[in-house]
Amino acid sequence: GNSVTQMEGPVTLSEEAFLTINCTYTATGYPSLFWYVQYPGEGLQLLLKATKADDKGSNKGFEATYRKETTSFHLEKGSVQVSDSAVYFCALSLTGTYKYIFGTGTRLKVLA
Amino acid sequence: GAVVSQHPSWVICKSGTSVKIECRSLDFQATTMFWYRQFPKQSLMLMATSNEGSKATYEQGVEKDKFLINHASLTLSTLTVTSAHPEDSSFYICSATSQDRVYEQYFGPGTRLTVT
Repeated sequence: GNSVTQMEGPVTLSEEAFLTINCTYTATGYPSLFWYVQYPGEGLQLLLKATKADDKGSNKGFEATYRKETTSFHLEKGSVQVSDSAVYFCALSLTGTYKYIFGTGTRLKVLA
Repeated sequence: GAVVSQHPSWVICKSGTSVKIECRSLDFQATTMFWYRQFPKQSLMLMATSNEGSKATYEQGVEKDKFLINHASLTLSTLTVTSAHPEDSSFYICSATSQDRVYEQYFGPGTRLTVT
């Protein structure tokens, strides 16, 4: 079936450290892939997206590349800030139904 | 652009009462709206999908008589939790897709429901 697997958190980093949050997926067809960020007490905000293989989504220093051969969409940032502390969700959009399948979320805590 | 609002942002109600949550697309017409439930420190669980003017499609295990969804217009969907009980306390989030970007959902800020 369709699924998204994210690395378990929490992830704790020092400010300016390099961030990688792994995300792999299983899906039929050619889904679109997304990273969303959720700050405490808030809804989800789109961080970046990629709609086809080899696309790279980027925003606010975050990047992720749609890798069809490894069915992955890992999130990276070269230098995290305290303000990046949040929960990050990887998601895919199923072709045709446009339903989202979410990963379990990864909590990131950045220490000053 | 593509802003989705929810009202109220938080609500407290007594057990046995009903509560209505509104979801509005402010600057686009939402062909489809989705309702999610999120438990503390967990992922989002899709409850139902609704299209304007038609009945909502509920996910397996979601009680349609308890969680009434109405998608009356292209900019408004409502979720009514009927005869609420403490176990219905949760964070409810809606999202919407537009006609020109059907593969991408725009999320509301969420509504925190506490049933006492």
